Amino acid sequence: GQNIDQPTEMTATEGAIVQINCTYQTSGFNGLFWYQQHAGEAPTFLSYNVLDGLEEKGRFSSFLSRSKGYSYLLLKELQMKDSASYLCAVTPYGQNFVFGPGTRLSVLP
Amino acid sequence: DAGVTQSPTHLIKTRGQHVTLRCSPISGHKSVSWYQQVLGQGPQFIFQYYEKEERGRGNFPDRFSARQFPNYSSELNVNALLLGDSALYLCASSLVHTSTDTQYFGPGTRLTVL
Repeated sequence: GQNIDQPTEMTATEGAIVQINCTYQTSGFNGLFWYQQHAGEAPTFLSYNVLDGLEEKGRFSSFLSRSKGYSYLLLKELQMKDSASYLCAVTPYGQNFVFGPGTRLSVLP
Repeated sequence: DAGVTQSPTHLIKTRGQHVTLRCSPISGHKSVSWYQQVLGQGPQFIFQYYEKEERGRGNFPDRFSARQFPNYSSELNVNALLLGDSALYLCASSLVHTSTDTQYFGPGTRLTVL
């Protein structure tokens, strides 16, 4: 089976940098996705990692290390609108998306 | 371009009733997946359909069923509703059904079972 862990809640200050971690136990997977979900809304796609390393997309970057079973989402120059839940999901071989519990990020002024 | 659409937005039912939720994928997408999201948790996979065939099924009871139509829209049916079925039901569409394909979510249907 798959087990995905994320911190439940994080708080950061506007303009700062925050790193949201995701650890997983799975025998093999195709890729790892990050989604953002504002309260009461649908998840929106942020990033996708297949290979080890860092993928950068503007203020958001995502990192994957398959050997360590670890990923993180890095958010730079935090804005109030970044307050949301951040969901990590893996796609195990032959299976559909498996989501983690999500990390609720609060950005304070 | 229109994104994934779902109807209804909100729904209130009582225990024992049944419910049908509807989803239209992004134009050109042929795969639809359904998820259940309980407050404070990540989405849980229920079904995936591609070209009208079931391509994946999560760990949900037989009270849950779904189908996909020739225009790639989909319905999720839940029979004999329980209080625990209260959740946000999300539909996601993707071009095909492979696990490397990004899924794009609709706004969801908020189901409350009383």
